[in-house]
Amino acid sequence: SQQGEEDPQALSIQEGENATMNCSYKTSINNLQWYRQNSGRGLVHLILIRSNEREKHSGRLRVTLDTSKKSSSLLITASRAADTASYFCATETGANNLFFGTGTRLTVIP
Amino acid sequence: GAVVSQHPSRVICKSGTSVKIECRSLDFQATTMFWYRQFPKQSLMLMATSNEGSKATYEQGVEKDKFLINHASLTLSTLTVTSAHPEDSSFYICSARDPSGRAFDEQFFGPGTRLTVL
Repeated sequence: SQQGEEDPQALSIQEGENATMNCSYKTSINNLQWYRQNSGRGLVHLILIRSNEREKHSGRLRVTLDTSKKSSSLLITASRAADTASYFCATETGANNLFFGTGTRLTVIP
Repeated sequence: GAVVSQHPSRVICKSGTSVKIECRSLDFQATTMFWYRQFPKQSLMLMATSNEGSKATYEQGVEKDKFLINHASLTLSTLTVTSAHPEDSSFYICSARDPSGRAFDEQFFGPGTRLTVL
């Protein structure tokens, strides 16, 4: 399966703390993307990092990519209660298909 | 960003009936759309890639005769779940790529359709 794995499966932190989620994948990729999904809702695209990039920032989000280890991390700084959601990484291969990781359920406690 | 809509957002049907779900790109033309299925508390699984004007490409293990995909125009793809059974109950999400847009490698996701088969 091309599906990636994320850890932790669930993460609970206090508001203001940082949250780090990790994603590992198996095949070569064109890019890796992170998405957020609130319970029972659609996906919100957060950030895309290409295979030749190592780090990317967007607001309170920081994404790293290590293609040698086939892994990526998503850091959310100064978390807020509104950040509570499930976060998925997704890898895009040469076939232009997206394969999603198993997801991390983040709970930010006010 | 580009907008993708789905209709209906929620559908409940009896076992044995067929259900059609629509996916529309509202402000761009999408030659390729994707259909995903998500079971509760699980990740999204790609079901098929829908290509405008040609047959869909199905992922391994997805029955093409059960999940009929039609991509008749550049803004509309439909997924029909035929002879639905309770195990088909799931959250179905479509996405589309805007090849003319700046974010050419980004997929834009619809809000999803929750199917419940009784």
